[in-house]
Amino acid sequence: QKEVEQDPGPLSVPEGAIVSLNCTYSNSAFQYFMWYRQYSRKGPELLMYTYSSGNKEDGRFTAQVDKSSKYISLFIRDSQPSDSATYLCAMSAFSGGYNKLIFGAGTRLAVHP
Amino acid sequence: NAGVTQTPKFRVLKTGQSMTLLCAQDMNHEYMYWYRQDPGMGLRLIHYSVGEGTTAKGEVPDGYNVSRLKKQNFLLGLESAAPSQTSVYFCASSRKPGAMEEETQYFGPGTRLLVL
Repeated sequence: QKEVEQDPGPLSVPEGAIVSLNCTYSNSAFQYFMWYRQYSRKGPELLMYTYSSGNKEDGRFTAQVDKSSKYISLFIRDSQPSDSATYLCAMSAFSGGYNKLIFGAGTRLAVHP
Repeated sequence: NAGVTQTPKFRVLKTGQSMTLLCAQDMNHEYMYWYRQDPGMGLRLIHYSVGEGTTAKGEVPDGYNVSRLKKQNFLLGLESAAPSQTSVYFCASSRKPGAMEEETQYFGPGTRLLVL
C-alpha cells in the first residue's frame, strides 16, 4: 500500500465549476500537508500548505485537512482554464535527518471554456 | 534570480552509456534533492543533500550517484544507463527545515531522459 493515495483522474470540468481534489494517507507521522501545481512540461510549484486539521483559504483555493480520517482535499472555486494542470498532494514527516516529502501520483485537471 | 535551473532539458541515451545531470540554484539553499517522476508513481526521491559536501540516499537510489561539491550545484550521475531509468528528473532545493516557510521545496523545470 502506498503511503499517499491520489486518484490520477483525468478530471474534466466546465469553466466556473467547483473542483474537489483529494488524497488519503496512511502514515500518522505526517505533520505538514501541501498541494503542488504542475503545468505540462514544467516543474511542480507550491500552491498551498497547512499543518493542522481544518481549512485554509487562499483566494479561490481552499485546503482542507482531516487528520482523524487521514484525508486531505483541495477545493478550487470558479475554476478557470488557466487552472488546467496536474495537482500533486504532498506530505512530510521528519525522517533520516530531514523532512521527508512524500508525493501523491497527481490528479490531472482540465477546465474547458 | 533564476531559481533552480537544470541542464540538459532533454537527452537520449543508449543502454550502458553514462551521463551527468546538472542542477544549479541561486537562492543560497542548504538542502537539495533529486527526484524522478514516472506516470502513476508521483515524484520519488533519488538522493538528497543537506549541505555542501554531504549526500544521502532517498527512496530509489540504485543506479545513481550524486555529488555536492559546491553549495549551489547538485549533480546526478548515471554510470550505466538502463531503459528503466527513462523518466523525467527534477531537482529541488529548500532552506533547512524549521518553520514551514523554510521547508518549501523549489523545483527546476526538469530533464527528460530517454534510454533506448
